[in-house]
Order: sequence, then structure tokens, then C-alpha cells
Amino acid sequence: EIVLTQSPGTLSLSPGERATLSCRASQSVSSSNLAWYQQKPGQAPRLLIHDTSSRASGIPQRFRGSGSGTDFTLTISRLEPEDFAVYYCQQSGSSANTFGGGTKVEIK
Amino acid sequence: QVQLQESGPGLVRPSETLSLTCSLSGGSVSFYYWSWVRQPAGKGLEWIGQIYARGSTKYNPSLKSRVTMSVDESKNQFYLRLTSVTAADTAVYYCAKGVIYFEAWGQGTPVTVSS
Repeated sequence: EIVLTQSPGTLSLSPGERATLSCRASQSVSSSNLAWYQQKPGQAPRLLIHDTSSRASGIPQRFRGSGSGTDFTLTISRLEPEDFAVYYCQQSGSSANTFGGGTKVEIK
Repeated sequence: QVQLQESGPGLVRPSETLSLTCSLSGGSVSFYYWSWVRQPAGKGLEWIGQIYARGSTKYNPSLKSRVTMSVDESKNQFYLRLTSVTAADTAVYYCAKGVIYFEAWGQGTPVTVSS
């Protein structure tokens, strides 16, 4: 089973700032099998990025995914008030799908 | 766009079986993959397993001995059964569309395991 480690655990930023979230895998992940989700309190997760860098339908361009192998990044270019939330990476492997532990982006 | 809605008992007694239903609207359960994911309060997401409408399944190895998923195409629903539950199974349970990534989610249903 592939373990995903997200860092930092919490990111304290102000609106308008750039957010860089990291997701590191315990072994190589196919680029087509890496996704990112946003979750707000009391809500279901929402798909942001799939296939490492493809934005899901309706997702603003300020969200960008990148990476390969074992290191993946979600970048939010300029934080909007609605972007403060928890973000999860997820991989689909041959034996199981796994999620990272999450990064909370909070208002500084 | 497909919408998903979970339903089932909010309280299950220890050692009993948890049974949940995911009902679809705006789309067909046929010819696609469907998944279950859970989230204990204040914690992260855990994939439970997936099912294809024609019946093939794959389960999280950590839960495999206790999980069964099924589909009823006539009702446009799919199901989760988790046997021998303990307090560790207390969580919000989500059904979702997809298998490599999850493009649509239900709102989630909370399940508490307690006597």
C-alpha cells in the first residue's frame, strides 16, 4: 500500500498570498493516478485536480497541480476567502486507493 | 450531472452489521465504477472499496474480510455492508463516483457504533 504524506499539516496565510501544498508518496505513483480534493467543514470533499495537473470541471485557474514520481504539489496562486479549507491528495494504486493526512489552509 | 445520496441507520451496535445504501439521480449506476469512503470525526479520509455495475469489486485490504459491496441496477442503487463493527468504524460514510479519482460525492451519512 502506498502511503501519502502531506506537508505542512497547517498553512497559515492571508488572502491574496500563494499557497504551496506538498504530497509525498512512499513509492512512485503514476501521474494519471494522483488527485487533489478540497474539504470544508461539514461538507463532502470536492475534486479539484485529477491526473496530477488536470483541473476538474468548474475549478478556477488559480488551482494548479504538478509533480511526478513520489513528489506532487498543489499550488493556489492567490488565496481567495473561500479557499481556506483542508486539502487532501489521493492516489489510486493496484492494491488500494489511499489518501494523505491533509493540509489545513487557515487564515493568518 | 449525477447526484448521490447515502442512507442507512445512524446507530449500529458493536459486533453487528452496518448496511448503507447509495441512491443515484441524474445518472445510471450501470457502466461505471462506484466507491465508498469514510471519515472519522476530525480525521482524514479512508477508502473502503469500489464496485463496477457488472459486479467486480476491490476492497481496502485492511477491511476486506468484513466488507461486501453490491449493485442493484433496477433500483439505481449500490450498497455497503460492513460486518462485526466496533467503535473504530464510527465515521461519516460517503459514496462517490469513480475509482481512480472521485468526481462526485454524496453529502455523507454519519454512523455511530455504540451499545
